[in-house]
Amino acid sequence: AAGVIQSPRHLIKEKRETATLKCYPIPRHDTVYWYQQGPGQDPQFLISFYEKMQSDKGSIPDRFSAQQFSDYHSELNMSSLELGDSALYFCASSSRTGRSYEQYFGPGTRLTVT
Amino acid sequence: QKEVEQNSGPLSVPEGAIASLNCTYSDRGSQSFFWYRQYSGKSPELIMSIYSNGDKEDGRFTAQLNKASQYVSLLIRDSQPSDSATYLCALPYGQNFVFGPGTRLSVLP
Repeated sequence: AAGVIQSPRHLIKEKRETATLKCYPIPRHDTVYWYQQGPGQDPQFLISFYEKMQSDKGSIPDRFSAQQFSDYHSELNMSSLELGDSALYFCASSSRTGRSYEQYFGPGTRLTVT
Repeated sequence: QKEVEQNSGPLSVPEGAIASLNCTYSDRGSQSFFWYRQYSGKSPELIMSIYSNGDKEDGRFTAQLNKASQYVSLLIRDSQPSDSATYLCALPYGQNFVFGPGTRLSVLP
């Protein structure tokens, strides 16, 4: 079965640079979520989109922005990168049909800021 | 803000034993509960979802839900070294999830 695709898998940037992370949800999934996970921490919710509209916002810094496109893929744009932004970034997708809220995670992008 | 708590780890069990992972939550209105397994450096993998009180079994995994007591547990029978991972309890919160802090399980050969 098709899974969530994320690219790139690894990214190294310097402080104050920008980064763009991409997420391709499971086909027919209408909701995309972005999470940040630091070492030894549980995933922290950043932002989500439903049918290309922002549906919820978590602890996303103002330096970050995201959008979902007409083909349902999503991009997380990160500017003025800081050392503390080094983390694993996961995208997850789900379908809101029925009562299931099951989220399926992509493999993640490991961002290292030097 | 929903709160999700999990038994503190790490939890170590010998191979072949039953591992018991617990999760409590604060919102009595919660209806859906999920268990994810996460290997170090990898993404969370959904292993169980449960919506009704009682037990749900899937292979070596059994999820138990008690809404009155606001807890959900995950039992892993015949634990294998490959089960060594962090297990995250998750509940929907609005349009996203709240994750518990996770319990690290080590299955010793």
